[in-house]
Amino acid sequence: EDQVTQSPEALRLQEGESSSLNCSYTVSGLRGLFWYRQDPGKGPEFLFTLYSAGEEKEKERLKATLTKKESFLHITAPKPEDSATYLCAVQAGSGNTGKLIFGQGTTLQVKP
Amino acid sequence: DTAVSQTPKYLVTQMGNDKSIKCEQNLGHDTMYWYKQDSKKFLKIMFSYNNKELIINETVPNRFSPKSPDKAHLNLHINSLELGDSAVYFCASSLSTLAKNIQYFGAGTRLSVL
Repeated sequence: EDQVTQSPEALRLQEGESSSLNCSYTVSGLRGLFWYRQDPGKGPEFLFTLYSAGEEKEKERLKATLTKKESFLHITAPKPEDSATYLCAVQAGSGNTGKLIFGQGTTLQVKP
Repeated sequence: DTAVSQTPKYLVTQMGNDKSIKCEQNLGHDTMYWYKQDSKKFLKIMFSYNNKELIINETVPNRFSPKSPDKAHLNLHINSLELGDSAVYFCASSLSTLAKNIQYFGAGTRLSVL
């Protein structure tokens, strides 16, 4: 069964303290891996999509990387406004349904 | 203009009632989805429609019935509401079902069943 696991569940950082969030996946035939950000009371907001091992994407203080078994979301010198829940999701398998399988998320708190 | 909009934002109701949630997208997308997010923030797909045709129907009780009157709208009707139905329901849309197409989410409908 396709599975996505994120760690840690919660992460507290001081402003400026860089760290990484992990997303491990066990799927049959990865077609795409997605990172979303979710603020309290809002819907997930798209950040990145990665398709093949070795691929990297960057946006401001965030950088996403992908290997054959996991993805990392690196946060460099975070600011309080980066506080949110970060969700990882995969599309997998041969069926072309668009179905996303989500991990349980990592809730990040950045203190000033 | 909100790209994916859901109404209502909050829904409080009694067990056994029937309720509907509406979703509209103005992105010109072909594919729309319903997801359920439980209290632990775990998002799980329920249904997906592509060009008004049902293409994903996960193991959801048949008390839940999606309806897509046109490509821009996907509504969710829930019969005989139960306590366990309490959750946040998200609508999403994408250009198509291809992996490269990003899914855009609405703000969610928080359903509380008392």
